[in-house]
Amino acid sequence: GAVVSQHPSWVICKSGTSVKIECRSLDFQATTMFWYRQFPKQSLMLMATSNEGSKATYEQGVEKDKFLINHASLTLSTLTVTSAHPEDSSFYICSTKPNEGDSNYGYTFGSGTRLTVV
Amino acid sequence: DQQVKQNSPSLSVQEGRISILNCDYTNSMFDYFLWYKKYPAEGPTFLISISSIKDKNEDGRFTVFLNKSAKHLSLHIVPSQPGDSAVYFCAASVRGSQGNLIFGKGTKLSVKP
Repeated sequence: GAVVSQHPSWVICKSGTSVKIECRSLDFQATTMFWYRQFPKQSLMLMATSNEGSKATYEQGVEKDKFLINHASLTLSTLTVTSAHPEDSSFYICSTKPNEGDSNYGYTFGSGTRLTVV
Repeated sequence: DQQVKQNSPSLSVQEGRISILNCDYTNSMFDYFLWYKKYPAEGPTFLISISSIKDKNEDGRFTVFLNKSAKHLSLHIVPSQPGDSAVYFCAASVRGSQGNLIFGKGTKLSVKP
């Protein structure tokens, strides 16, 4: 089946630095990638939707200048947390969107990235 | 405003018995529902889904029931096994919209040997 490879799986960074998270779709093309964030004991909350070759769409309350999303190819989407602060510490997960006509289990998730900002 | 609600944060069940995980939703536009299993520090793994045109879908030990009038769905696992211990997320989507999933907060299932 479809696989989404997400890296890194965990990262610790200093406050004020930037961190890049990559999601690659293996053996298939992902025109759309969703980026979610999960705080402890909370649900996965959609942060933004990235579409290949165009600007990402951000959910209300998510700072687009802080969470930079690039979807330059059909197999790679990246999320860069800029000037990270401790409150950005969270679990970040990407997901593809099913293609037209696919069943909804076409949502394929990456393995997630645990970000800790110290 | 939470559109998908899982009101039980945790559930403990004896091995071999039935586990019932519940989910309520408020958006009547949702037309597809999915259940995911998630271990700590890993991405969600798809379990089973159901379209709004059905009221039941079964796959091995997993059965999902949908009650549209009550805006309620449930996941039944029978018999429960210790390996089922994980956090279970209910998710919903609207086909034809931007397509993202809306998740509940999850229910932590513990199956005791």
